[in-house]
Amino acid sequence: NAGVTQTPKFQVLKTGQSMTLQCAQDMNHEYMSWYRQDPGMGLRLIHYSVGAGITDQGEVPNGYNVSRSTTEDFPLRLLSAAPSQTSVYFCASSASRDRGIGELFFGEGSRLTVL
Amino acid sequence: GDSVTQMEGPVTLSEEAFLTINCTYTATGYPSLFWYVQYPGEGLQLLLKATKADDKGSNKGFEATYRKETTSFHLEKGSVQVSDSAVYFCALNTGNQFYFGTGTSLTVIP
Repeated sequence: NAGVTQTPKFQVLKTGQSMTLQCAQDMNHEYMSWYRQDPGMGLRLIHYSVGAGITDQGEVPNGYNVSRSTTEDFPLRLLSAAPSQTSVYFCASSASRDRGIGELFFGEGSRLTVL
Repeated sequence: GDSVTQMEGPVTLSEEAFLTINCTYTATGYPSLFWYVQYPGEGLQLLLKATKADDKGSNKGFEATYRKETTSFHLEKGSVQVSDSAVYFCALNTGNQFYFGTGTSLTVIP
């Protein structure tokens, strides 16, 4: 099983450029989310979605857009990259539960550097 | 708001030593609690979980007990191996969000 697949694994951008980090899952999970991981700060939630057509903001949404047109895909868009967005990004998904989300399944991460 | 505080690292232990990584939480509801592990260059993967008070999660020799009275979920292992070297994250889930601790890096030396 592929699980959660993120592309690209590495990317270097210049300030002001735009790009999209792709995330796809093949587990028919309703819940998908994006995190960024920075040294000393753990993982911080950027955006999440509880199903196709539904998205919501997490802890650090500024500078990022998302959409959820299908159950499988949840792309993260950087409209105008800034050096502060240099980070490792993780996509994670979960089957919805009546009480909370349940276990998160993570992709392998995308390392983004903004110069 | 909801949050997780875990012991800062890095932690360095000799093989077969006892491991404890402390984790405490703040939550308004009744969260589920998790420990995730991240090996170098990889994403996080679930190590163990507990969904209600007094539950004990266990996996690969690791254990953690959900203590509501002390709002804690400390990770323990009786005898660590070199292969346990990784970063460990405590996390809680309430509603549609997960909250992660800052991570504790563990290095086990032979």
